[in-house]
Amino acid sequence: DTGVSQDPRHKITKRGQNVTFRCDPISEHNRLYWYRQTLGQGPEFLTYFQNEAQLEKSRLLSDRFSAERPKGSFSTLEIQRTEQGDSAMYLCASSLGSVIGRGEAFFGQGTRLTVV
Amino acid sequence: GENVEQHPSTLSVQEGDSAVIKCTYSDSASNYFPWYKQELGKRPQLIIDIRSNVGEKKDQRIAVTLNKTAKHFSLHITETQPEDSAVYFCAATPNAGGTSYGKLTFGQGTILTVHP
Repeated sequence: DTGVSQDPRHKITKRGQNVTFRCDPISEHNRLYWYRQTLGQGPEFLTYFQNEAQLEKSRLLSDRFSAERPKGSFSTLEIQRTEQGDSAMYLCASSLGSVIGRGEAFFGQGTRLTVV
Repeated sequence: GENVEQHPSTLSVQEGDSAVIKCTYSDSASNYFPWYKQELGKRPQLIIDIRSNVGEKKDQRIAVTLNKTAKHFSLHITETQPEDSAVYFCAATPNAGGTSYGKLTFGQGTILTVHP
């Protein structure tokens, strides 16, 4: 499978625990995005990397959230001290950033987080 | 920032009918408008996109129209089939020198149901 892959697919955690998700983008894609999707809503942008540099963070990304892309390949999203309001689908997407190219984003299957 | 409004929230049609979903956006700098289809429990998948230098694009039974002056764009599905049933999301993004592709602002989604 050469698409965007995310791990785990599902995570159930107790409130207050830390969780970490992983995203492996399409190999030649230099841009990687994290989105959060709650039931009945469209995905909301969280943060964006170009190669290893985190270029933008949404106001939605509180200081309990941190994302890394250490070598410009895979990325991790960590949520510390989880709250019930963090329950959502966390989607990763990647694209090939190019002024000439289409640059469309391809999504992974997502990690569904449930905080109990 | 960008704000995307999508209507209707639900759409029910008979097989063979046409379906139209409309979106408006607020940021005049937006110039890339993709449409995603999301089946239950699956990743959003790009079905068609349009850039601001064209007014219409067609791919078999799917077409998208864009009116930059009015800041709205629409998805048209003709000869609908039951397998078209899904949630459809519009999105918009500005492309300031190629840096913002993939940082998408999504609409709220339209649940399309095609009855056999």
